Amino acid sequence: EPEVTQTPSHQVTQMGQEVILRCVPISNHLYFYWYRQILGQKVEFLVSFYNNEISEKSEIFDDQFSVERPDGSNFTLKIRSTKLEDSAMYFCASRPFSAYNEQFFGPGTRLTVL
Amino acid sequence: AQSVTQLDSQVPVFEEAPVELRCNYSSSVSVYLFWYVQYPNQGLQLLLKYLSGSTLVKGINGFEAEFNKSQTSFHLRKPSVHISDTAEYFCAVSEGTNAGKSTFGDGTTLTVKP
Repeated sequence: EPEVTQTPSHQVTQMGQEVILRCVPISNHLYFYWYRQILGQKVEFLVSFYNNEISEKSEIFDDQFSVERPDGSNFTLKIRSTKLEDSAMYFCASRPFSAYNEQFFGPGTRLTVL
Repeated sequence: AQSVTQLDSQVPVFEEAPVELRCNYSSSVSVYLFWYVQYPNQGLQLLLKYLSGSTLVKGINGFEAEFNKSQTSFHLRKPSVHISDTAEYFCAVSEGTNAGKSTFGDGTTLTVKP
């Protein structure tokens, strides 16, 4: 069964560094999402992406964040200058175009900012 | 805007006892509803979903949930829990549009005691 994959599974970085989290959505899906979960808290929506542009973003998704679908298969989340509070689990999700379908979540990338 | 309220932050229960985890939602449009389980340091696993059709949905691991539109609820139930059901459970709502993001509740910690 096809699944969403994410790399790396764990990323450790220094405060102020740029990180890129990578996701490979399911191949025939057209809607893509990033969510984050700070340790011990709920899952929060960051951004949705369709037709090569952002369709919706949350207040969390400020100028430090960007998303890209560089090559038709990968979907990336970039954080330009990481802060301690960016430490979280980041989940990618994708969804097919047809109705009555849920989002399919990847296993997540744990980002630790030191 | 959509929102999800999980009415119990923690639910302790003895093994083989029944359990109900409560979830209420609000939305101005039609919705899809989900329950996810998360084990420590792991990703989100879909337990069950309501997209359309029968309001009683059955999921994995013996869980079921009932969509009640008039009460805007989607409570999760299991007739007899096991120690291995100890985990965090998240209720989520997604608007019935293709690009609709998911909004998660704060989570309920289910602890099954021997």
